[in-house]
Amino acid sequence: NAGVTQTPKFRVLKTGQSMTLLCAQDMNHEYMYWYRQDPGMGLRLIHYSVGEGTTAKGEVPDGYNVSRLKKQNFLLGLESAAPSQTSVYFCASSLPEVGSDTQYFGPGTRLTVL
Amino acid sequence: AQKVTQAQTEISVVEKEDVTLDCVYETRDTTYYLFWYKQPPSGELVFLIRRNSFDEQNEISGRYSWNFQKSTSSFNFTITASQVVDSAVYFCAPSPSGTYKYIFGTGTRLKVLA
Repeated sequence: NAGVTQTPKFRVLKTGQSMTLLCAQDMNHEYMYWYRQDPGMGLRLIHYSVGEGTTAKGEVPDGYNVSRLKKQNFLLGLESAAPSQTSVYFCASSLPEVGSDTQYFGPGTRLTVL
Repeated sequence: AQKVTQAQTEISVVEKEDVTLDCVYETRDTTYYLFWYKQPPSGELVFLIRRNSFDEQNEISGRYSWNFQKSTSSFNFTITASQVVDSAVYFCAPSPSGTYKYIFGTGTRLKVLA
């Protein structure tokens, strides 16, 4: 079991460039989440998905898009990167069951936008 | 609206000292869940514990113990006989019942000095 994996681990973009972050999980979890972590601000939810083909906005969705075409994958896209999107991005997954709803996190992607 | 507060930004202790990390979750909900995660310098997020709002029994796991007091909305985490390897950022993350989403605190950075 690899758990939750994220690709890539590091990326540097120029302002205006686009990119996609890939999250994959092999735990057959229904729910998947994308967070960003900035210094002194904890983790903030960007978008999440409650199942294949569904997505919803979190706390800070502006500037990002997501897709969940397959149950095991959750993609986060930046169409036109801005320096304010410099951050560490974490993906997580969980089951929607009380008692089994712990979120398991990927190792993170460090993104720098110049 | 719910609010989670980790008032201690950074704590430094000498190895073998006991240390308590504070978390206060203000909410009108009667049912919710509380999670603690550890983020070591390597950056990954490690799940430590999950508790529900009905259970005010202290829980002990090795050198770790958790104390939840619903009357004061506090969910505190104590490390006994701290070790250098405990140095990390610790996040409290309440989850309102049925949402399967977390509200992350801003974290407490613990430094354990040899």
